[in-house]
Amino acid sequence: GAVVSQHPSWVICKSGTSVKIECRSLDFQATTMFWYRQFPKQSLMLMATSNEGSKATYEQGVEKDKFLINHASLTLSTLTVTSAHPEDSSFYICSASPSGRKNNEQFFGPGTRLTVL
Amino acid sequence: AQSVTQLGSHVSVSEGALVLLRCNYSSSVPPYLFWYVQYPNQGLQLLLKYTSAATLVKGINGFEAEFKKSETSFHLTKPSAHMSDAAEYFCAVSDHRGSQGNLIFGKGTKLSVKP
Repeated sequence: GAVVSQHPSWVICKSGTSVKIECRSLDFQATTMFWYRQFPKQSLMLMATSNEGSKATYEQGVEKDKFLINHASLTLSTLTVTSAHPEDSSFYICSASPSGRKNNEQFFGPGTRLTVL
Repeated sequence: AQSVTQLGSHVSVSEGALVLLRCNYSSSVPPYLFWYVQYPNQGLQLLLKYTSAATLVKGINGFEAEFKKSETSFHLTKPSAHMSDAAEYFCAVSDHRGSQGNLIFGKGTKLSVKP
């Protein structure tokens, strides 16, 4: 149980285009999902907290107009990188926290490798 | 504010040797602590977690960690390393934002296992 999927697993796009990444909780409902970014050989940095039915909460320094987050259902959150540039190339990982649990456990997706040419 | 420090960005052990990965935390409230493992180009997999119950926590793949409040530590150990343990390991602390706190990660420790 507690499986989280991400799609696509990798994507290559041209500079200036937009890319959408999906995060799905497959066997549980998640009121809250999290989006992380990981640069090579570095740790995960939280970008934003996605709450179903409301606006996402962005961490300091993360441009909300560039990284659009939508959490339209209890099993799906999407991250759209708008007008992507080479510096946006990174490994994006989402996680989901099962609704109703209070131990702050998150289940992580397998990640999406974005390369912007 | 909470933070996590992982001592040693790279640890190398021989197969069969003890694995010790260090993690110290800073928290103004009783923390929830986690260890995750990441294999190349994959997401994170939970190894174990401490959520204020037993201080010695046993996880998957033979790993365990001990919460020591006096030392603000949560070191990860495994008695005998296996080649398949080679991966990146992250310690994390939860910041308790309501019931859905986000995680603050350490910088990670890469574990290499020599045959």
